[in-house]
Amino acid sequence: QVQLVESGGGVVQPEKSLRLSCVASGFPLRSYGMHWVRRAPGRGLEWVAGTSYDGNDKHYTDSVKGRFIVSRDNSKNTLYLQMNRLRSDDTAVYYCAKARTGGMDAFDFWGPGTMVTVSS
Amino acid sequence: DVQMTHFPSTLSASVGDRVTITCRASRSISTWMAWYQQKPGKAPILLIYRASSLKNGVPSRFSGSGSGTDFTLTISNLQPDDFATYYCQHYRSDSSSFGQGTRLEIK
Repeated sequence: QVQLVESGGGVVQPEKSLRLSCVASGFPLRSYGMHWVRRAPGRGLEWVAGTSYDGNDKHYTDSVKGRFIVSRDNSKNTLYLQMNRLRSDDTAVYYCAKARTGGMDAFDFWGPGTMVTVSS
Repeated sequence: DVQMTHFPSTLSASVGDRVTITCRASRSISTWMAWYQQKPGKAPILLIYRASSLKNGVPSRFSGSGSGTDFTLTISNLQPDDFATYYCQHYRSDSSSFGQGTRLEIK
């Protein structure tokens, strides 16, 4: 069965960096678009970034452009989110999500999430 | 960017009721719309994609409709497990956005 498991969350100071990982199993990662979605405390869902099945197309929400980098290693069945120059408003649960197709599409499977807290 | 707005923000209903949640897009998005259910402390679950296609394994009491700017999620014969927050999502080739959510609570 499809499984996604995120890791790498924690407490980090403002302006520092953190890298999230998402290990996929139960499906061929190389065939599907993969995305990061977050939910800040008391707020709704926010799409953060996504990459096409081959990693050639990458897209970001405006608030993280120039600070976050999404990447993937299909040989390791892993999706990454490098988060730089973190701010307090990046505090959220971060989910990785599998798209139904090779690029942007509805997200048919999600990981349980990893919490990122940005605080001094 | 396309803004997605839910109506209402909170909805009270009873087991067995039929409820409808509406999502409005700030401009036409064809049928590039999905609906998700999320419970506290859990990841979202996809219910509907392409505005009206039911994901495999999702109960048939969930249905979606609409195109352009106005979309609805209908839940028939509400079950205790259905009380949760529901989100609409617009997706296109280079971006995505979610609505603020509708919380469905027990009356």
